[in-house]
Amino acid sequence: QQQVKQSPQSLIVQKGGISIINCAYENTAFDYFPWYQQFPGKGPALLIAIRPDVSEKKEGRFTISFNKSAKQFSLHIMDSQPGDSATYFCAASFSGNTGKLIFGQGTTLQVKP
Amino acid sequence: DADVTQTPRNRITKTGKRIMLECSQTKGHDRMYWYRQDPGLGLRLIYYSFDVKDINKGEISDGYSVSRQAQAKFSLSLESAIPNQTALYFCATSDGTSGQETQYFGPGTRLLVL
Repeated sequence: QQQVKQSPQSLIVQKGGISIINCAYENTAFDYFPWYQQFPGKGPALLIAIRPDVSEKKEGRFTISFNKSAKQFSLHIMDSQPGDSATYFCAASFSGNTGKLIFGQGTTLQVKP
Repeated sequence: DADVTQTPRNRITKTGKRIMLECSQTKGHDRMYWYRQDPGLGLRLIYYSFDVKDINKGEISDGYSVSRQAQAKFSLSLESAIPNQTALYFCATSDGTSGQETQYFGPGTRLLVL
């Protein structure tokens, strides 16, 4: 079963616009929510992550918004650039000695010049 | 990244053949993972290993087996390949015990089963 649902599957944004990708999770035991960025021909790489004790985390143009009551979190890319064109995966994991990540389905972002 | 390498990068094989995908890492991490990526399904965990003597099944282990030859090496085998195993395969590593550590991915192996 899919414990982390991601939308949209694909997204086209104009340069300078805001890209928004949403994820919803089911299991309230999740307590770590990273986003991974994958460029064509490359493996995913950690972009930004959040824990549920905060509602927002910002790193440069990238912001995670977290809504614990709704069991949702989203990635916002401000002033989107063509270099941001990539596939983005949200993920979730349990605390403790597991290290297993449950990934969303992925969103392919295209930023048009 | 060069810290996690996968061989081969591309592989075409026929139904019923046995193949092995190899992963090596120079990061000194104890934990290693194998994922497959399919369009619309994201990344799904096949097997994971927390050390040389600890190997665990993931979400979709049927049809796959693994071997942890050393801390730095983790191989994935398809004993009898079938077309629906056509996918992009990634190896990853991580360190730590919190469950919240970063996973570092290799460049992937694109597998086509005819």
